[in-house]
Amino acid sequence: GNSVTQMEGPVTLSEEAFLTINCTYTATGYPSLFWYVQYPGEGLQLLLKATKADDKGSNKGFEATYRKETTSFHLEKGSVQVSDSAVYFCALSLDGNNRLAFGKGNQVVVIP
Amino acid sequence: EAGVAQSPRYKIIEKRQSVAFWCNPISGHATLYWYQQILGQGPKLLIQFQNNGVVDDSQLPKDRFSAERLKGVDSTLKIQPAKLEDSAVYLCASSTRQGAYEQYFGPGTRLTVT
Repeated sequence: GNSVTQMEGPVTLSEEAFLTINCTYTATGYPSLFWYVQYPGEGLQLLLKATKADDKGSNKGFEATYRKETTSFHLEKGSVQVSDSAVYFCALSLDGNNRLAFGKGNQVVVIP
Repeated sequence: EAGVAQSPRYKIIEKRQSVAFWCNPISGHATLYWYQQILGQGPKLLIQFQNNGVVDDSQLPKDRFSAERLKGVDSTLKIQPAKLEDSAVYLCASSTRQGAYEQYFGPGTRLTVT
């Protein structure tokens, strides 16, 4: 079936460090790929998306590139801030209904 | 613009009891989704509505879960009877139309079944 796998465990890093969160997918077709973020006490919100291979999504200093050859959509940010502390979810959708399949999420904690 | 509203925010019930959750999507959004998020996992889609019609309910446990979206606006999700494994956060989301990329999520209802 169609699924998303995120790296295990929370991520703790210092302010201004480089952040990478790995995401790989399994899909029968060519999905659209998303990163959603959940800040403490808030609902999930779309961070960025890519709808075809080699597309790069970007927002708020975060980037992710749709890599069909490695079936990956890793999230990166060059210099994190304390305000980036949140849970990050990778997701895919395969059809015109945009039904999302989410990964398990990664808790990111940025310490000053 | 007001976001997606959900109530209640928290609910504690005993197993075999019934419970209902309410969602008010963003005004004008035609598509509404209910997700279940068990602790430590990503959200799982339960049901998708387009206006007041069901688009997909393939992952809804229909023996105990039901949902409706009367008049194509507000929606309710009901569980009857609840089981321990139903403990989760129930998220409602909406989008402008079927197939729109961005879904807007509410804050969720945290259900604890004891």
